[in-house]
Amino acid sequence: AQSVAQPEDQVNVAEGNPLTVKCTYSVSGNPYLFWYVQYPNRGLQFLLKYITGDNLVKGSYGFEAEFNKSQTSFHLKKPSALVSDSALYFCAVRDSNYGGSQGNLIFGKGTKLSVKP
Amino acid sequence: DVKVTQSSRYLVKRTGEKVFLECVQDMDHENMFWYRQDPGLGLRLIYFSYDVKMKEKGDIPEGYSVSREKKERFSLILESASTNQTSMYLCASSLPSQGSGNTIYFGEGSWLTVV
Repeated sequence: AQSVAQPEDQVNVAEGNPLTVKCTYSVSGNPYLFWYVQYPNRGLQFLLKYITGDNLVKGSYGFEAEFNKSQTSFHLKKPSALVSDSALYFCAVRDSNYGGSQGNLIFGKGTKLSVKP
Repeated sequence: DVKVTQSSRYLVKRTGEKVFLECVQDMDHENMFWYRQDPGLGLRLIYFSYDVKMKEKGDIPEGYSVSREKKERFSLILESASTNQTSMYLCASSLPSQGSGNTIYFGEGSWLTVV
């Protein structure tokens, strides 16, 4: 079965420090991986995705993610955290189970990032 | 930019009422989705549609139905609202799935409270 795991419910970081939000996945076939961010009372905003190619993917707002096939991980990173980065972060993988569409994403349960001044 | 618009941000409905949640996208996307978001459970797929008048059940379709009469519009219907359907509902859209790397774009969400 395909799945995504975000092992940390919450990550606390001081402003200016590097941050990492962890994600591991389990899929059959090639993984298509995504990160989204959700600010309070808002919808999900797309940050970045890995389809193929370079293992280091750069996205919006200075975020990047590293795809590691051997560890089946796709961790989200940022070199220097901002207070405004505080939000809920979701990792997702493309679901290949739905016949005819295969367009859906399977989401992790989310990690709350808190950046303190 | 892709825009997915959910017309109602906050709704309060009574148990047993029929509820319509409307969603419109402006990017001519074939795929549209309805998710439900609950704390600790992440996002769960209710229904999706890959073409006009076409729909497929997601993980939690019970108590819901959908309608897609036009390409740009995808409606979620709660036939008889119950308190356990109090939740945040998210609509989304994307290009066809032949390109599996296609991004799914989300609306701002509709907070539904059933009393």
